[in-house]
Amino acid sequence: SQQGEEDPQALSIQEGENATMNCSYKTSINNLQWYRQNSGRGLVHLILIRSNEREKHSGRLRVTLDTSKKSSSLLITASRAADTASYFCATDGGYQKVTFGTGTKLQVIP
Amino acid sequence: DTGVSQDPRHKITKRGQNVTFRCDPISEHNRLYWYRQTLGQGPEFLTYFQNEAQLEKSRLLSDRFSAERPKGSFSTLEIQRTEQGDSAMYLCASSPPRSADTQYFGPGTRLTVL
Repeated sequence: SQQGEEDPQALSIQEGENATMNCSYKTSINNLQWYRQNSGRGLVHLILIRSNEREKHSGRLRVTLDTSKKSSSLLITASRAADTASYFCATDGGYQKVTFGTGTKLQVIP
Repeated sequence: DTGVSQDPRHKITKRGQNVTFRCDPISEHNRLYWYRQTLGQGPEFLTYFQNEAQLEKSRLLSDRFSAERPKGSFSTLEIQRTEQGDSAMYLCASSPPRSADTQYFGPGTRLTVL
């Protein structure tokens, strides 16, 4: 079963715009991660935020975490066509068992 | 660093046949994970090894599925008596000892059961 639910399921934006996707989860976590997956390929780790952190930045990525609401958001600024991919949040509740969400499919139109 | 590799990349088989997939983790990564991903869904955890020990198995891993990591390096995932519902992408990931939170994924093996 999926722990997280991403919202929206699909997002289409113009190159240069910002993209925001959200993730809600159900149980308490140690950390939350975001991954990217290009069509038919493996996943690439983007960023990890720990349960005691509220915000984290990495390049054009900004992640927030609200443990009281059990939600996280991923913001991609100044999007590029190469950002077109599916984005998944993944929660780690301990014991190395990572549970992925259902994903947001992002399309960036050149 | 050659990354996580998986073999084969694609496998087409007939229902009832057995299949075996191989995963080679990044060198010196002691943790290895198997996931299954169906179309439009996120990966679902199947099992996890620390070195050669299989420490956790999902209820998704029925008795037709078996995974091994005999020498703590590469791993195999075998599916016996395949069913059409086994059609999916099978992903392998590994993580290093000092940064177990981050998993590095292989390209996956896409299984189609006819």
